[in-house]
Amino acid sequence: DGGITQSPKYLFRKEGQNVTLSCEQNLNHDAMYWYRQDPGQGLRLIYYSQIVNDFQKGDIAEGYSVSREKKESFPLTVTSAQKNPTAFYLCASRTSGGSYEQYFGPGTRLTVT
Amino acid sequence: AQSVAQPEDQVNVAEGNPLTVKCTYSVSGNPYLFWYVQYPNRGLQFLLKYITGDNLVKGSYGFEAEFNKSQTSFHLKKPSALVSDSALYFCAVRDTGNNRLAFGKGNQVVVIP
Repeated sequence: DGGITQSPKYLFRKEGQNVTLSCEQNLNHDAMYWYRQDPGQGLRLIYYSQIVNDFQKGDIAEGYSVSREKKESFPLTVTSAQKNPTAFYLCASRTSGGSYEQYFGPGTRLTVT
Repeated sequence: AQSVAQPEDQVNVAEGNPLTVKCTYSVSGNPYLFWYVQYPNRGLQFLLKYITGDNLVKGSYGFEAEFNKSQTSFHLKKPSALVSDSALYFCAVRDTGNNRLAFGKGNQVVVIP
């Protein structure tokens, strides 16, 4: 998990509230990613960013938003429009060029009731 | 689109026995393949990768993987399993169109003492 921090580890929110998950990396990586993990479904890509001030939708972007104002930070907002937000959220990053492996943070477990 | 398949949901193995976790892939062009391990409530840890070269790739914690082009497989192996190897294992392939990684659904490995 080294070099990528996600906070908090556990997050609880009431239905209808927006919540922002933090992801910071000190690896000087250009690209950053947000995944959602649900039991038995593997990892699904929410959003990714290959450079500062640019990002693309992944496979399940509806109900989520991101920003990439700084190279080291890629926060994810889970909006009230996300119908089933309870999940484990993982942030990852990788350097540009190279062999494309991604390095992951420790994750944030979001519970919405 | 590139994809990987991990056909088994769970792999049970006795401690000290060889461990194999299966992965098959579908890509256009040369495959970039990866294995990750995830312990409960943690992020994914990178184990190893295949880009080019020798078909047998050695990685972290005594793991290795064998690339087989004719069978489009990239199985993860360990000669002697430890109880501490009990975890969730993910295979992934690079999507050459957008540099994303496509992950399999994961295999739960249970090493029995």
